[in-house]
Amino acid sequence: EVQLVESGGVVVQPGGSLRLSCAASGFTFEDYTMHWVRQAPGKGLEWVSVIRWDGGSSNYADSVKGRFTISRDNSKNSLYLQMNSLRIEDTAFYYCARDIVPRVYYYYGMDVWGRGTTVTVSS
Amino acid sequence: QSALTQPASVSGSPGQSITISCTGTSSDVGNYDLVSWYQQHPGKAPKLMIYEVNKRPSGVSNRFSGSKSGNTASLTISGLQAEDEADYYCCSYAGSSSPFGGGTKLTVL
Repeated sequence: EVQLVESGGVVVQPGGSLRLSCAASGFTFEDYTMHWVRQAPGKGLEWVSVIRWDGGSSNYADSVKGRFTISRDNSKNSLYLQMNSLRIEDTAFYYCARDIVPRVYYYYGMDVWGRGTTVTVSS
Repeated sequence: QSALTQPASVSGSPGQSITISCTGTSSDVGNYDLVSWYQQHPGKAPKLMIYEVNKRPSGVSNRFSGSKSGNTASLTISGLQAEDEADYYCCSYAGSSSPFGGGTKLTVL
């Protein structure tokens, strides 16, 4: 079964750091571009970051640029999101998602999603 | 990286057809045939319904279709069913980012 499972979400104080993980299974992880998408409570989806299948390139939303770092370890079938200098407005449910077309770095659509993990930034 | 513009809500009766619009710019929707649409039920993860403007992933009903004209993409749902009631989001490739629309709540009357 194709599956993504996020972990690492906790309550953290403003200015703090956190690393989210996403474990992939059921498909050849190293072939796919991967995304992080978040959703604040009661709000819409917000694209956060993307990383190429080989880890060779990544991009970020302006709202997190310079604070968040996406990475992956293809040997461990895992995706990560290092979140630094956290702000209250980073409070959200964070999803990892797979892009549907393998081995391309255009974003065609996200066909596999995890269940998400909750990040709460609060003092 | 501006969000795409969607109507906040649409509604329709069972059996009817509805269309949700998604307006972007010449930097995103208008420049790439890489628009996708997602359905999200409360408390659930989003589900991909349409990608590359008009392609359906395996398992998605052919009642869902997508199109694009200029800077505006559209999702049409025909033969509305009660289970179609959900939030719908569009998304477009924009060169280096992938902004979503603000979401549209579909109510099946």
